[in-house]
Amino acid sequence: GAGVSQSPSNKVTEKGKDVELRCDPISGHTALYWYRQSLGQGLEFLIYFQGNSAPDKSGLPSDRFSAERTGGSVSTLTIQRTQQEDSAVYLCASSPTSGRGHEQYFGPGTRLTVT
Amino acid sequence: GNSVTQMEGPVTLSEEAFLTINCTYTATGYPSLFWYVQYPGEGLQLLLKATKADDKGSNKGFEATYRKETTSFHLEKGSVQVSDSAVYFCALSDRDYQAGTALIFGKGTTLSVSS
Repeated sequence: GAGVSQSPSNKVTEKGKDVELRCDPISGHTALYWYRQSLGQGLEFLIYFQGNSAPDKSGLPSDRFSAERTGGSVSTLTIQRTQQEDSAVYLCASSPTSGRGHEQYFGPGTRLTVT
Repeated sequence: GNSVTQMEGPVTLSEEAFLTINCTYTATGYPSLFWYVQYPGEGLQLLLKATKADDKGSNKGFEATYRKETTSFHLEKGSVQVSDSAVYFCALSDRDYQAGTALIFGKGTTLSVSS
């Protein structure tokens, strides 16, 4: 079956511009996560959605970052007024539930470069 | 807070050599432990997991045992192949962690196997 998909695969933007990154989770998965993978910081958790509950935003690095999940499926991560330190690979993962032992299935990521 | 520490790489081995990648963790609750692998040009995928103390996860010839007394989850393989060349990430999810079951990752260890 189809895995987690993300778009675009690559995005180059100028400092100060806004960007939107999209994630399509595996159908039926109720939990959705965003992570960021950068050379300096490794893999960091950003935000977590579980069903229709309010998202946990505790990992977002600043108020320039926001995310939404429409209809319990597709999610969009928005970065406003991008900075060079936002350059990273943004990964989305989904899981059939939020149980701690459940596997998270990762998408291929969006590589963001801020010039 | 919760954290994962894994050995720095890169690890360079000849084919059929024995592999150990060390991983230790700090957690306030009762975490589940994971090893994820990222092959060149591919997304993160689960290699193996263990959800309670003394459990052994295994897959593709890799093994790791959840050792609560030493807070460790070392990855081992008896005979590595060139196709095992990848980046390996140790991770935990802790039911007491505020962000549900978001994964906390180690920095990753790059394994390079030559023939």
